[in-house]
Amino acid sequence: SQQGEEDPQALSIQEGENATMNCSYKTSINNLQWYRQNSGRGLVHLILIRSNEREKHSGRLRVTLDTSKKSSSLLITASRAADTASYFCATEQHSSYKLIFGSGTRLLVRP
Amino acid sequence: DTEVTQTPKHLVMGMTNKKSLKCEQHMGHRAMYWYKQKAKKPPELMFVYSYEKLSINESVPSRFSPECPNSSLLNLHLHALQPEDSALYLCASATSGRGNTGELFFGEGSRLTVL
Repeated sequence: SQQGEEDPQALSIQEGENATMNCSYKTSINNLQWYRQNSGRGLVHLILIRSNEREKHSGRLRVTLDTSKKSSSLLITASRAADTASYFCATEQHSSYKLIFGSGTRLLVRP
Repeated sequence: DTEVTQTPKHLVMGMTNKKSLKCEQHMGHRAMYWYKQKAKKPPELMFVYSYEKLSINESVPSRFSPECPNSSLLNLHLHALQPEDSALYLCASATSGRGNTGELFFGEGSRLTVL
């Protein structure tokens, strides 16, 4: 049962540019998290934003959360070739505590 | 130690075989998860254990049988699988699994091929 949809599905940018990914979800949440996955590997947690927060920063990452629109965005500034990966949003559902992943965005950063 | 270790990394099995996937963490986490991921798709939740008790089963077929022998170990027993069960199986752990859990720590996954 997929909770979130992400867009774009794929994004190709030049090194140094910013990358923005969007996530929409359907039900009430406790928190929203972003994960990164290199091809065929495990997922790595990037950042968590709680339902009562609107914006959060971590290094080159900026996450926003709009609970009224049930949407979030992840901004990666000054991208590097090493940022090439798939990025997933994941929502912890308020009623069940399940962590459900969105469809993901495949990011390619060209050197 | 902030690692979740999964073994084996790769597994090939026939439809009549019985095999197991193993997962171990030593971070003192009390919630452990199994996710299944097909190529170019997001991880799909299968099972959640919280304090060694099965708290979530996402209507997974009985040919997948989870087991949590203690708070550090999580197994997934496989029997009579189908070729469509071929996927990357990911184990994860978190502090408690009882709401506002926080981040999940993932292993590198076990890539399963069913012939």
